[in-house]
Amino acid sequence: KAGVTQTPRYLIKTRGQQVTLSCSPISGHRSVSWYQQTPGQGLQFLFEYFSETQRNKGNFPGRFSGRQFSNSRSEMNVSTLELGDSALYLCASSLVIGGNEQFFGPGTRLTVL
Amino acid sequence: QKEVEQNSGPLSVPEGAIASLNCTYSDRGSQSFFWYRQYSGKSPELIMSIYSNGDKEDGRFTAQLNKASQYVSLLIRDSQPSDSATYLCAVDFAGTYKYIFGTGTRLKVLA
Repeated sequence: KAGVTQTPRYLIKTRGQQVTLSCSPISGHRSVSWYQQTPGQGLQFLFEYFSETQRNKGNFPGRFSGRQFSNSRSEMNVSTLELGDSALYLCASSLVIGGNEQFFGPGTRLTVL
Repeated sequence: QKEVEQNSGPLSVPEGAIASLNCTYSDRGSQSFFWYRQYSGKSPELIMSIYSNGDKEDGRFTAQLNKASQYVSLLIRDSQPSDSATYLCAVDFAGTYKYIFGTGTRLKVLA
C-alpha cells in the first residue's frame, strides 16, 4: 500500500507571497492532519480534516488555511508569507479522526526569503 | 507546564545496551499515546502506540504507560547504531482530537 505523498518536496518563496501544499493520504484513510516543524518549536499541530470538514485547529493565524476534497486529498495554503513561516510542513493521515495512529508523509520544506 | 515533556538529550548508550526514553504529559484525560522515530532530515515514523496501562512489546521495543503517574516510556533493547535518531512522544488529548508532540529526545547509540 502506498504511503502518504506530499508535493512539492521543496519550495522557495519570498515574503508576501502565498503557497499551496498538497497531501494525498494512504488509500482508505479519511483523516488528514497538518503540522509545522521548526527547530525551535518542534512539531506543532495546524489542523485536521475529516470528511471534507475541518474538525480541529491549532493555534496558528488565519493566514494558514486548508481544505479536504472528496477523495480525502488535502491542501494547505499559507498567505502573505513571513520569514518565520520557513519550516518543514508535514501531513499525516489516519483511518479516522482522533486517537488513531497517524502516518506521516515526507514533508514539504518551505523556505521564505 | 508544557503539555508533553521530554528530556532533549542527547541520551548516549553503548551498542547492545537498553535505551530508556521517558515522556510526561499534563492532561489526565489523555487516552492515546504514540512513539515516533525521526532521523535527521526525514519525517517521523510511527514505532508504537499504546492505549492501556502496562507494557506493550514489539520486537526490540517496549512501550510502558502509567496513567496514574502520567508518564509513558519507550525501552529499546539491544540498541543498535541505526537506532540513533530523535524519538518523539505524542499524546492525543481526550476530547480535543489533537495530537500534542513533545520536543523529542535525541538518542545516540555508540558503536
